[in-house]
Order: sequence, then structure tokens, then C-alpha cells
Amino acid sequence: AQKITQTQPGMFVQEKEAVTLDCTYDTSDPSYGLFWYKQPSSGEMIFLIYQGSYDQQNATEGRYSLNFQKARKSANLVISASQLGDSAMYFCAMREVNNNDMRFGAGTRLTVKP
Amino acid sequence: GAGVSQSPSNKVTEKGKDVELRCDPISGHTALYWYRQSLGQGLEFLIYFQGNSAPDKSGLPSDRFSAERTGGSVSTLTIQRTQQEDSAVYLCASSLRQGAWTEAFFGQGTRLTVV
Repeated sequence: AQKITQTQPGMFVQEKEAVTLDCTYDTSDPSYGLFWYKQPSSGEMIFLIYQGSYDQQNATEGRYSLNFQKARKSANLVISASQLGDSAMYFCAMREVNNNDMRFGAGTRLTVKP
Repeated sequence: GAGVSQSPSNKVTEKGKDVELRCDPISGHTALYWYRQSLGQGLEFLIYFQGNSAPDKSGLPSDRFSAERTGGSVSTLTIQRTQQEDSAVYLCASSLRQGAWTEAFFGQGTRLTVV
């Protein structure tokens, strides 16, 4: 069974600095996708970024980038130039080609300090 | 519709009553997921529908929970004989097609409170 691990329950970062949120995963399927979502206090789930297991380059979306290390089975989210509005819960998720249910990690609560 | 729609947005029910939660996925999306999120916690997978295939029910916590998806579109999650531990936000998500490569879009959730 697939498993997603986020080991940081909470993280703090100073405004305008970069922060890395960790995510490791476990799968025996060679074909899978990795996703990061943001959940602000309003409760909505906002899709941030995606990385496919066969992608050669790390995904980037604006201030978000994904540090994908396939051999280590890690998919860390890097947020550059943090903003106060980045304060939220962040969830890592994975979906396998052969088992399409999407499973989530426990999440990391990020707090951006002014 | 423009996004995933869930109803009701809030539901308060008495312990022992049955409740039905509804999810309207984005039009054309063949995959549909239900998750449960307790206060301050992560997303607990409940059930997954893909097209006309048999659903993956492996996450349903007990036989009091059931879900169906009619016509490959609208889904209903039913909780029978509700318990206080069922209190949570129930999130529905849909994605365009089967495969690992597409993101899921979430509804705003139904906040269920069992008193």
C-alpha cells in the first residue's frame, strides 16, 4: 500500500525567506504522480504543484518548486520568498497509475512570521 | 459546473440519526474521491470511484458508511446511526480521468457535527 510521510507537524519561516517542506513516499509502482496542496484556515484545498515519476526535471510553479529525488523517494516542496498569505497547512499526496486512489500525508502547518 | 459542489455545507445531527452528504463533481470528471478530515488533522481516504468500475471502498471506517455514484456523476455518502466520532469535515474531490497524472479538485466540504 502506498504511504506518504510528512515529518514536520509545524514549520516557521520569516517573511521573504525560503522554506522547504518535507515529503517522503513509499510505492512499488514505477508510475506515479506526486502532488502538493495548500489548505488555508478557510478550509479549501488548493492544488499547488505536480511531479510525475518519469519527469526528468523538477516541477516549478511560480514561487513553488518541487525537489524530486526519486532514488530517495522524496518530493519536498520549496516555497521561495515566503509571504504572510503562505501561512496554511500543506499536504503532500501521491497517486499510482495502477491504484488511482489519491492518498495524503498528515500535513505540515506553515507559519510565516512578519 | 465551475467546480466541485458539496451540500449541505454544514450539517448538525443527533447521535443515531442517518445523514446523506452530496457531491457534484466537475462535469466530465470520471474520478471521484471522498475524504474525511477531523479538526486539525490530515485527510483520511474513504472511497474512490472511477467511471463504471467497482469503487475502492478500502477506506470506509465501518459498515455504517456507504457511498454510491449515480450515472457516473453525482455521489452520495451515507452515514447510518451517526456517532459523535463521525464529526468531521467531509471533502469530495474529482479529477478529469484515470491516471496518476491529473490533479484532483476539491469541494468546500460538508462540516458534520453529531450532537
